[in-house]
Amino acid sequence: AQKVTQAQTEISVVEKEDVTLDCVYETRDTTYYLFWYKQPPSGELVFLIRRNSFDEQNEISGRYSWNFQKSTSSFNFTITASQVVDSAVYFCALSEANFANAGGTSYGKLTFGQGTILTVHP
Amino acid sequence: DGGITQSPKYLFRKEGQNVTLSCEQNLNHDAMYWYRQDPGQGLRLIYYSQIVNDFQKGDIAEGYSVSREKKESFPLTVTSAQKNPTAFYLCASSLLAASSYEQYFGPGTRLTVT
Repeated sequence: AQKVTQAQTEISVVEKEDVTLDCVYETRDTTYYLFWYKQPPSGELVFLIRRNSFDEQNEISGRYSWNFQKSTSSFNFTITASQVVDSAVYFCALSEANFANAGGTSYGKLTFGQGTILTVHP
Repeated sequence: DGGITQSPKYLFRKEGQNVTLSCEQNLNHDAMYWYRQDPGQGLRLIYYSQIVNDFQKGDIAEGYSVSREKKESFPLTVTSAQKNPTAFYLCASSLLAASSYEQYFGPGTRLTVT
């Protein structure tokens, strides 16, 4: 069964600090996809990144970077020079390519971690 | 602007009443999903639909029902059989119901049942 663990329930930092959000996953599949979503106070989940299991290259997008390591089943997310607007709940999620429902049809079942509440203080 | 709309933002109901939450998307996505979020927890899948006139149960479907008569719409009914209906409900869609496609979410409906 697929499982995602975000061990950090809450993180509090001061603006301009760097912060890393941890994500560890479990899957028996060799093909899978990992995602990060941001949930600001408004409630809507915002898609940040998708990474497939065959691409271990780290990715950087502005102040955001992601470190994918299959050897440790981790997909960590770092925000550099954090800002108050980064305050949100961040979710890591996993989708197995071959997950099938009771009828045998595969679909993109997303398994979410419990989320990390990030608070950035001015 | 393409996106997903959910209405209303806040909904209050008395125990024993059924209530229907609206979800509409204009992204031309085939797949749509309903999730439930409780405080301090991740999202849990209630129902999903891969295509019009088809839908499947997710992990916590008991006490809920859905319909998918149009591609753009996927309403969720919270029935009186749902023991703990108070929660934040999120609707999502993706181009296809496949693991490689990211899901896009609506703004959510916060349901309170007293």
